[in-house]
Amino acid sequence: QKEVEQDPGPLSVPEGAIVSLNCTYSNSAFQYFMWYRQYSRKGPELLMYTYSSGNKEDGRFTAQVDKSSKYISLFIRDSQPSDSATYLCASEIQGAQKLVFGQGTRLTINP
Amino acid sequence: EAQVTQNPRYLITVTGKKLTVTCSQNMNHEYMSWYRQDPGLGLRQIYYSMNVEVTDKGDVPEGYKVSRKEKRNFPLILESPSPNQTSLYFCASSLYGYGYTFGSGTRLTVV
Repeated sequence: QKEVEQDPGPLSVPEGAIVSLNCTYSNSAFQYFMWYRQYSRKGPELLMYTYSSGNKEDGRFTAQVDKSSKYISLFIRDSQPSDSATYLCASEIQGAQKLVFGQGTRLTINP
Repeated sequence: EAQVTQNPRYLITVTGKKLTVTCSQNMNHEYMSWYRQDPGLGLRQIYYSMNVEVTDKGDVPEGYKVSRKEKRNFPLILESPSPNQTSLYFCASSLYGYGYTFGSGTRLTVV
């Protein structure tokens, strides 16, 4: 079993829809949770990170972590075609210096 | 512009011919890492460094070497590349050990 599980999709939604991307993890020692966006032929770009449980909002993006259920979510409001990319969740144990990534979900926003 | 720079972006080489992929960051970050990205396997850590002269193995270190003689540079060395090292490689850096910034990637093909 992978430590971080993510549905690879693909996921296709119309422009303006609310997108929900999810991951589950198995290691209860994870304390940092991140979402990266990766466009084709580019490196992963950090969107948001959260320490422990809770919500964090940045513009159209909201990240949620529920440590009791080991569930990580990213919500995208008013989705745009420019949001089309692969979204990667990642988790890290404090001090471990290693990101553990999910497989990534390929998202397409249709105009 | 704050960035992680990798070179080369693309490389085709033959089995056994030593090569080095360079990585440089201009953000004065303490922490640096190398990852490889493979279809179906996602991103996996090869090596990481917490500071100058401090490096350690990640999940898939076999066949790779690294050095950290200067804070800004963290080269990845393949002493005798093999076809199973054909992959997309990313260098990443962080100030605090989480929330890493990734480079644009090096696509390596070993024939």
